[in-house]
Amino acid sequence: ETGVTQTPRHLVMGMTNKKSLKCEQHLGHNAMYWYKQSAKKPLELMFVYSLEERVENNSVPSRFSPECPNSSHLFLHLHTLQPEDSALYLCASSDGLAGHSSTDTQYFGPGTRLTVL
Amino acid sequence: GQNIDQPTEMTATEGAIVQINCTYQTSGFNGLFWYQQHAGEAPTFLSYNVLDGLEEKGRFSSFLSRSKGYSYLLLKELQMKDSASYLCAATSGGSYIPTFGRGTSLIVHP
Repeated sequence: ETGVTQTPRHLVMGMTNKKSLKCEQHLGHNAMYWYKQSAKKPLELMFVYSLEERVENNSVPSRFSPECPNSSHLFLHLHTLQPEDSALYLCASSDGLAGHSSTDTQYFGPGTRLTVL
Repeated sequence: GQNIDQPTEMTATEGAIVQINCTYQTSGFNGLFWYQQHAGEAPTFLSYNVLDGLEEKGRFSSFLSRSKGYSYLLLKELQMKDSASYLCAATSGGSYIPTFGRGTSLIVHP
């Protein structure tokens, strides 16, 4: 059972719609992440927040807008998306920023399967 | 940048042993993660290797050779439920966020 929840689990939207993805972690972690997972491609890091401040933004198009109101919640606001943005969007959290030690392991949510028509 | 390479797909028989390899090319290497991801589910942590050598956790073991830029995940006594994608991810100094490979899809058949 994961301590990271994501809603909705599935989303279908048109290119002119505006929607938001929500992530909540119940683990008391300080860092949160958004990843994009497309078929046959590696997980792509989109955004990283540490203590509610954005620390990394991997050249993501402005049609994706993150928001981290507190250390437990992370949103991804979507507008005027393209069909190629259809993918699984995964949220993750970690105690510290991942990679410093094994205790900073990322815990992933179940993802939101997004389809853009 | 970082380059991580792992096989796309592997098949194995229930009860057997399988080794999934991962090679990486990265400057300032810190450590290497292995994750398991079942279809439609979240990736789950399996191991994190920083030092050379083999680390065993039950049926799963992970090996790292820093000098060769090589790691493998060893799965013993395979079960049907081990059918999943196995993701290799490396971290390096400066950017401590893991960079993921494409994943290896393991199919275990009876």
